[in-house]
Amino acid sequence: QKEVEQNSGPLSVPEGAIASLNCTYSDRGSQSFFWYRQYSGKSPELIMSIYSNGDKEDGRFTAQLNKASQYVSLLIRDSQPSDSATYLCAVKGSGSQGNLIFGKGTKLSVKP
Amino acid sequence: GAGVSQSPSNKVTEKGKDVELRCDPISGHTALYWYRQSLGQGLEFLIYFQGNSAPDKSGLPSDRFSAERTGGSVSTLTIQRTQQEDSAVYLCASSPWGTGRQSYEQYFGPGTRLTVT
Repeated sequence: QKEVEQNSGPLSVPEGAIASLNCTYSDRGSQSFFWYRQYSGKSPELIMSIYSNGDKEDGRFTAQLNKASQYVSLLIRDSQPSDSATYLCAVKGSGSQGNLIFGKGTKLSVKP
Repeated sequence: GAGVSQSPSNKVTEKGKDVELRCDPISGHTALYWYRQSLGQGLEFLIYFQGNSAPDKSGLPSDRFSAERTGGSVSTLTIQRTQQEDSAVYLCASSPWGTGRQSYEQYFGPGTRLTVT
């Protein structure tokens, strides 16, 4: 059973701080990793994808991947109240199946 | 360009009735996926279509669930003899597929909220 694990939170950070969201996955052969943001009552929105070990930066977001540790993280710098949402980690498994395996998400709350 | 669209946005049905949910993917996307999200839960994979290949139905929870994709574009998810546990948000996503890693990036529609009374 391929799994993706996330701390459910809630993770509460003050406005302007760095929010750190973590994810581990069980399928060692996985090659593609994604972070989705889901506001309450809305559908998931793709915000970051990462495929190689190391860091990938996009604006205030940095995704980090460590395949040896089977670990993916998302850092949000200068957190804003509008970043308050549930963040879903998703992994494309090593098989031929195209579907992503999603974690249950971490709820982030950014306090003004 | 236009994103993934789904209809209806909300559906209330009586237990035992059949329902059809529709998904129109992003133009040019060859892969289409259906997921289900129950209240407070993660996304549960149901089925996906890639081009003309046979669909991967491995996530369908029972034989009451079926889906088809016509002309490589619009897809319909059908739930027969609905049960209360089928109440959830049904999400459709599409991706461009192909040879690049970006082919697995999935873009979601707004979802259909199904309530079975």
